[in-house]
Amino acid sequence: NAGVTQTPKFQVLKTGQSMTLQCAQDMNHNSMYWYRQDPGMGLRLIYYSASEGTTDKGEVPNGYNVSRLNKREFSLRLESAAPSQTSVYFCASISGGWRIQETQYFGPGTRLLVL
Amino acid sequence: AQTVTQSQPEMSVQEAETVTLSCTYDTSESDYYLFWYKQPPSRQMILVIRQEAYKQQNATENRFSVNFQKAAKSFSLKISDSQLGDAAMYFCAYRSYNFGNEKLTFGTGTRLTIIP
Repeated sequence: NAGVTQTPKFQVLKTGQSMTLQCAQDMNHNSMYWYRQDPGMGLRLIYYSASEGTTDKGEVPNGYNVSRLNKREFSLRLESAAPSQTSVYFCASISGGWRIQETQYFGPGTRLLVL
Repeated sequence: AQTVTQSQPEMSVQEAETVTLSCTYDTSESDYYLFWYKQPPSRQMILVIRQEAYKQQNATENRFSVNFQKAAKSFSLKISDSQLGDAAMYFCAYRSYNFGNEKLTFGTGTRLTIIP
């Protein structure tokens, strides 16, 4: 049981390049999330998927797209990277459900540097 | 929309002493969850403690406990017998109770330093 995994761990991009951050969970969770963490800002929600086949915007969705490929996988795509997207990206998942007594599990993070 | 405020960007404590990290939040909901997460230099987000808003009893987990004041919308974390391994960023977070809305709203964090 690996929990939540993210690839790559670290990436350097040039402005205008595209890339996809991959996230997978093996806990049979329904809901998955992408956050970004910037210095002094805490974590902010980019996009989330409450169930397979659905996605919704979070607090800072501009410049990103997501795909919930199946129940396990939730990818984040940067179509044209900008220096403002330099950040650490976290994927998270949760079982979901009415008043479920648990919390989100986080991946180890992807550090992205856009030059 | 909910907001979470951590007013202490940095805190320090002597090893074996007790420290309290502050968190306030704003919400119009009556039922919700509150969390404290720890983020060591490895950047992994680790759940420290969780509190359900409908529970009056404060949550405890070994050396970690909270002081939950619902009317004041305050949720502080107390770390007793501080250890070197407690050094990390600590984030307070809010989550709605509503189904399909499990996203977390985070504060800006408090960096805790442990002095040997």
